[in-house]
Amino acid sequence: AQTVTQSQPEMSVQEAETVTLSCTYDTSESDYYLFWYKQPPSRQMILVIRQEAYKQQNATENRFSVNFQKAAKSFSLKISDSQLGDAAMYFCAYRRTGGFKTIFGAGTRLFVKA
Amino acid sequence: SQTIHQWPATLVQPVGSPLSLECTVEGTSNPNLYWYRQAAGRGLQLLFYSVGIGQISSEVPQNLSASRPQDRQFILSSKKLLLSDSGFYLCAWSVHWEGRTDTQYFGPGTRLTVL
Repeated sequence: AQTVTQSQPEMSVQEAETVTLSCTYDTSESDYYLFWYKQPPSRQMILVIRQEAYKQQNATENRFSVNFQKAAKSFSLKISDSQLGDAAMYFCAYRRTGGFKTIFGAGTRLFVKA
Repeated sequence: SQTIHQWPATLVQPVGSPLSLECTVEGTSNPNLYWYRQAAGRGLQLLFYSVGIGQISSEVPQNLSASRPQDRQFILSSKKLLLSDSGFYLCAWSVHWEGRTDTQYFGPGTRLTVL
């Protein structure tokens, strides 16, 4: 069965600094998607970034980028120039291509210090 | 653009009472629809998904049921709520084409407290 592990329950970063959130996953599939979602205090899940496993190039979205290591089954999220609005729970998630079930990690709570 | 609505936003219900949570999507047709539950401080657990009207798949056997009476409407129900049904319920939608399922987009959620 597929699993997603986020080993950092909490992280803290100084405003304007860079922080990296870790995620590892386990699957026997070769074609899948990986996601990072942000959940602010409002609790709505917001897509931050998406990576397709067949693409070797790491996805980027403005200040957010990922380090996708397929062989190591690692998918970390780097947030550059951290802002107060980045404070939230961040969830790593996996879904096999063609599947309907997205599997979520337990989440990492990110604190941003002014 | 697509939008997804959920109501109510907050609900407090006594044990043993019925439940009906509604989710609607605008701006897309024939979406895949999903119900997730998030317990306090935890990740999301998929409860049900639907690929079309009247088609419901259950991921976790439990006290809840789902229905899809219209293309863009998804309802989560219970005949008798349990204390363990408390949590945050999220509806999501995605498109599915050529054997691939695209990103899931989430609604604002419903916070359910069972007393």
